[in-house]
Amino acid sequence: KQEVTQIPAALSVPEGENLVLNCSFTDSAIYNLQWFRQDPGKGLTSLLLIQSSQREQTSGRLNASLDKSSGRSTLYIAASQPGDSATYLCAAGMDSNYQLIWGAGTKLIIKP
Amino acid sequence: ETGVTQSPTHLIKTRGQQVTLRCSSQSGHNTVSWYQQALGQGPQFIFQYYREEENGRGNFPPRFSGLQFPNYSSELNVNALELDDSALYLCASSLTWLAGFQETQYFGPGTRLLVL
Repeated sequence: KQEVTQIPAALSVPEGENLVLNCSFTDSAIYNLQWFRQDPGKGLTSLLLIQSSQREQTSGRLNASLDKSSGRSTLYIAASQPGDSATYLCAAGMDSNYQLIWGAGTKLIIKP
Repeated sequence: ETGVTQSPTHLIKTRGQQVTLRCSSQSGHNTVSWYQQALGQGPQFIFQYYREEENGRGNFPPRFSGLQFPNYSSELNVNALELDDSALYLCASSLTWLAGFQETQYFGPGTRLLVL
């Protein structure tokens, strides 16, 4: 059974810092790995999707990497801004049933 | 372009009651997926509807049921509510049933259900 873990559960950093959010999964038979952002009252927004054959994806100040062999993905946020404050969730897309297995998220606070 | 909308935004029910939650998918999307997100947890997949047919189901009991209408809007029905059903219920729409795999899902803001 796939389990997805995100550490830390919460993170508070000053504006301008570069930071890394971690996501680990127990079953390497994934189709893809996705990162989402969740803002209160606004639902979930897809940030980056990495197919299992890829090693990383980039979008603006965000870069996500995937290492299937070690069961890990990281989301790198460069030059953090207060508007980046949100909960970040990763989700593993399972090859067997096309379902997403989600982590519990990392709540990120960027202090001005 | 109208995004995914859900109604109501908040709901309070008592144990044993029944509830219906509604979701309007984004224009042109024929697939709707429903998720349950307990406080402090990630979403859990309930089921997916593709062109009015159930197209996959997570580990939820039969008292969780759904419908998809010809305009691709959808309902989630929960019978015999239990305290543990208290959660944020999210729906997401996509162009095809390969939601989240070969294309992006677009999420609504959710319905927060409290069962007393």
